[in-house]
Amino acid sequence: DAGVIQSPRHEVTEMGQEVTLRCKPISGHDYLFWYRQTMMRGLELLIYFNNNVPIDDSGMPEDRFSAKMPNASFSTLKIQPSEPRDSAVYFCASSTPSNTKTGDGYTFGSGTRLTVV
Amino acid sequence: AQSVTQPDIHITVSEGASLELRCNYSYGATPYLFWYVQSPGQGLQLLLKYFSGDTLVQGIKGFEAEFKRSQSSFNLRKPSVHWSDAAEYFCAVGARKLSFGAGTTVTVRA
Repeated sequence: DAGVIQSPRHEVTEMGQEVTLRCKPISGHDYLFWYRQTMMRGLELLIYFNNNVPIDDSGMPEDRFSAKMPNASFSTLKIQPSEPRDSAVYFCASSTPSNTKTGDGYTFGSGTRLTVV
Repeated sequence: AQSVTQPDIHITVSEGASLELRCNYSYGATPYLFWYVQSPGQGLQLLLKYFSGDTLVQGIKGFEAEFKRSQSSFNLRKPSVHWSDAAEYFCAVGARKLSFGAGTTVTVRA
């Protein structure tokens, strides 16, 4: 398995532009998580999906952030309009309920480093 | 509410020396506990986990961790550190949703 695949790896954009981050979870994983990592705040859970349905979006910082999962193999995180304080590394992770029972946790992607100038 | 505290922001250790990283958690039930490692520019890789059973768990790369319920701790250890162990280490707690600590950066000196 190729693991969790995120694209792009790096994104530099100007303030006010729309940014879309993409994630392909591991096949068969029915939970998908979006995290943001910054020096100041560490790893923050933004939103997670189960069977393509958003379950908890309480971590989404503002209405400028939105996430979708149109099918089991694809999710997007969109920021519109982007601001410099959105600069961070955004991670996608996937999991299955059996991962919870066996304690295997998540499998993380390599992340997207977003810089908003 | 679930939370994790990693008291040490940065640890420097000599190659070949032992390493212990501290983790304290808060969780309402029997916790699922994890240690992840992150190398620069990479995602997080699972080192080991505690689900139930033996309180001393073995992981990859020669790491182990001990769950102590009375102390709400899940400290990570390695008897002899290699230069390649330089990375950031995260403790996490939770079942469906994982809460992560702030991380401990490990520097290995020759």
